[in-house]
Amino acid sequence: GENVEQHPSTLSVQEGDSAVIKCTYSDSASNYFPWYKQELGKGPQLIIDIRSNVGEKKDQRIAVTLNKTAKHFSLHITETQPEDSAVYFCAAVSYNQGGKLIFGQGTELSVKP
Amino acid sequence: EAGVAQSPRYKIIEKRQSVAFWCNPISGHATLYWYQQILGQGPKLLIQFQNNGVVDDSQLPKDRFSAERLKGVDSTLKIQPAKLEDSAVYLCASQPWGGDTEAFFGQGTRLTVV
Repeated sequence: GENVEQHPSTLSVQEGDSAVIKCTYSDSASNYFPWYKQELGKGPQLIIDIRSNVGEKKDQRIAVTLNKTAKHFSLHITETQPEDSAVYFCAAVSYNQGGKLIFGQGTELSVKP
Repeated sequence: EAGVAQSPRYKIIEKRQSVAFWCNPISGHATLYWYQQILGQGPKLLIQFQNNGVVDDSQLPKDRFSAERLKGVDSTLKIQPAKLEDSAVYLCASQPWGGDTEAFFGQGTRLTVV
């Protein structure tokens, strides 16, 4: 089945710097790649997503890139702020596997003021 | 629009006891998931429902875990008997129809087995 690997597991940046989180997936039939942010004591919340027919998508300070050939996708956060501190998860959906949502292991981002 | 509701928020039980969690998805959402999230790890899919049918339960430890979604709305997840390694947060999520649509998560139930 689908396997999603995420790196790094922890990331610490200074406020205003950029942060990049990378993921790889195994199922070439995966066609939807969402990113979730999880704050302490809460459930994950979607922050951005990308479909397989698009190479890049941007929403204000957040952008996601997708390389289907290499089967990897990345989250880029620019001008980081302390409120960006949280755990971020990438995920993949493959219609070959009933459209189920499979998550990576998570990246704990810490933005230091 | 009301979000995904889960209860209880916290539960502490002794090993070998049984426990049940409840989830009320967003109205009209056909797809419902249960995930297990162990501290420091990503959510692991336990079961996926489409309306009241099971799409995938390949990762559900069926000797102790069971789940149902009667009438394609609310869902319950049960563990009987619980083991220490079941200590985790159990997350419920729903989607309008699955696949490439946004999944909305509840706050989860934190289970501690002692």
